[in-house]
Amino acid sequence: DGGITQSPKYLFRKEGQNVTLSCEQNLNHDAMYWYRQDPGQGLRLIYYSQIVNDFQKGDIAEGYSVSREKKESFPLTVTSAQKNPTAFYLCASSPRGGGYTFGSGTRLTVV
Amino acid sequence: AQSVSQHNHHVILSEAASLELGCNYSYGGTVNLFWYVQYPGQHLQLLLKYFSGDPLVKGIKGFEAEFIKSKFSFNLRKPSVQWSDTAEYFCAVNPNAYDNAGNMLTFGGGTRLMVKP
Repeated sequence: DGGITQSPKYLFRKEGQNVTLSCEQNLNHDAMYWYRQDPGQGLRLIYYSQIVNDFQKGDIAEGYSVSREKKESFPLTVTSAQKNPTAFYLCASSPRGGGYTFGSGTRLTVV
Repeated sequence: AQSVSQHNHHVILSEAASLELGCNYSYGGTVNLFWYVQYPGQHLQLLLKYFSGDPLVKGIKGFEAEFIKSKFSFNLRKPSVQWSDTAEYFCAVNPNAYDNAGNMLTFGGGTRLMVKP
């Protein structure tokens, strides 16, 4: 079945550490996105990529980095510069002109 | 700033009650509009979408939404809710409707719906 796989489902990070969240899709979608979901704030865009080897900052990119070396993969690194990283992170992909397909999310907690 | 607003943050209804969740956006020009639902413990799923044509859009599970361009609104409705509709609902807008390379969605803050049995 086609879909988006995010891993891990739960992730714990010590302060000062970088962590990388995985997002893989087998839908052959061109575009991929990372959103952060916080209670009462909906989904806020971190980074997006419309094509391989290209990506753009979203509304809250500070403290995050991404890469898009393959069409199927769009990993997100939460760096130590992100001051409030505890959140639920959602990855999505879309074809040109189409709606999103979402992954099941990764819940990151700083301990 | 351009935005998507969902004014009801929490809604509590009894089964069989009618539902209307508000969504307003501030983008000018052509937009694509979406409603997503997130059931407890599950990932976001598409309920319905509007790209063009009939402004009254039918979605899954008996939901519908009406696009009113003059009011910049895309309210979600259901005539009779069920306990299984308990979820969080998100309105989303693609403000670059004619840009095939830009499918980026901006989401509202979400509305938590609780349906009492």
